[in-house]
Amino acid sequence: GAGVSQSPRYKVAKRGQDVALRCDPISGHVSLFWYQQALGQGPEFLTYFQNEAQLDKSGLPSDRFFAERPEGSVSTLKIQRTQQEDSAVYLCASSLDPYQPQHFGDGTRLSIL
Amino acid sequence: GQNIDQPTEMTATEGAIVQINCTYQTSGFNGLFWYQQHAGEAPTFLSYNVLDGLEEKGRFSSFLSRSKGYSYLLLKELQMKDSASYLCAVRDKEAAGNKLTFGGGTRVLVKP
Repeated sequence: GAGVSQSPRYKVAKRGQDVALRCDPISGHVSLFWYQQALGQGPEFLTYFQNEAQLDKSGLPSDRFFAERPEGSVSTLKIQRTQQEDSAVYLCASSLDPYQPQHFGDGTRLSIL
Repeated sequence: GQNIDQPTEMTATEGAIVQINCTYQTSGFNGLFWYQQHAGEAPTFLSYNVLDGLEEKGRFSSFLSRSKGYSYLLLKELQMKDSASYLCAVRDKEAAGNKLTFGGGTRVLVKP
């Protein structure tokens, strides 16, 4: 596709369940970012990949959050033992290289009951 | 670290002009971005400033003063479809991948 694609669009899970969120970046984009956006707030950085290498994971809130991009294309953000405070929109962005503007997907809205 | 401030909300009339201010404090400035985000949608790139001055793109203009840690986004000839949240973001050259740090966003409501 022409843009960044994320799935699922919406995810509802019970507290304690594990969830996996998928991101398909724009083809050929080297840089991939995950952000978390709470309602009414700006996105907050979670982690960054350059190709398959995770170069920065300083924004991951806890060790329950894990991200991977094994072949340097599709990325998955996994949250284990979800808690209510994990409820947010998770945005994925990609760019051709670190110096180009980031292009965002529509996000996955995660609700933890 | 980064600290970015922008107003929470602004209201303007269709056809008018609105200026959204953004102030920032950063340890490694490498450019300032403005994004537009409609409710429930992806942020979309509007403009980028790395040098001081004004960048104009149609109805939207963005200004940067690095010495003052200040930027603004100017929206001219407002249309109803411009009702959205506008995000100011600073790129950090000291971080891998030049990650973006966002302000809280300014919700602009355009009234007829």
